[in-house]
Amino acid sequence: GAGVSQSPRYKVTKRGQDVALRCDPISGHVSLYWYRQALGQGPEFLTYFNYEAQQDKSGLPNDRFSAERPEGSISTLTIQRTEQRDSAMYRCASSLEAKSSYEQYFGPGTRLTVT
Amino acid sequence: AQKVTQAQTEISVVEKEDVTLDCVYETRDTTYYLFWYKQPPSGELVFLIRRNSFDEQNEISGRYSWNFQKSTSSFNFTITASQVVDSAVYFCALTFTQGGSEKLVFGKGMKLTVNP
Repeated sequence: GAGVSQSPRYKVTKRGQDVALRCDPISGHVSLYWYRQALGQGPEFLTYFNYEAQQDKSGLPNDRFSAERPEGSISTLTIQRTEQRDSAMYRCASSLEAKSSYEQYFGPGTRLTVT
Repeated sequence: AQKVTQAQTEISVVEKEDVTLDCVYETRDTTYYLFWYKQPPSGELVFLIRRNSFDEQNEISGRYSWNFQKSTSSFNFTITASQVVDSAVYFCALTFTQGGSEKLVFGKGMKLTVNP
């Protein structure tokens, strides 16, 4: 079956522009997670959803970052007024059950470069 | 505070050597889960294993084995008879509960290079 997909795979944007990153989880997966991974680091939690409800957004760095999952499936992570420090790999993961203790399946990531 | 430490940042071995990747964690939770993920050069993150805090039995899967020791807060990963395809960055991760929400924290990863 299809895994987690993310688009675009690569995004280059100019400082100050808004970007929207999309995640399409595995069909039927309840939970969806967003992570940010800097070069040479492990993924860092940003936010997660159970169905369409955002359960925790404590990892979002500031109010320029927001996420939604309106129908409990596809999710969008939006970064407004991008800054160079936002450059990173953004990863999405989904899991069958609504707990982090369940296996999370990761997408290929979106490499964001802010120039 | 919850933390995962992978002290080794990079290891290089020759094919067929055994190699152990260390993972030490800190947590206040009494129930937690530990994971290992593999990130090959292609960049995706691949799940390898999950272990809960009540199960200290070691696990073997082919050339891979995991040693969980609660007494030393370690969850080490051994690859026996390494192969070039094992070259990747390996991450150890830990669940933790904060504000009623359960999340994953990852270590910084350890880059393994297996040379032919």
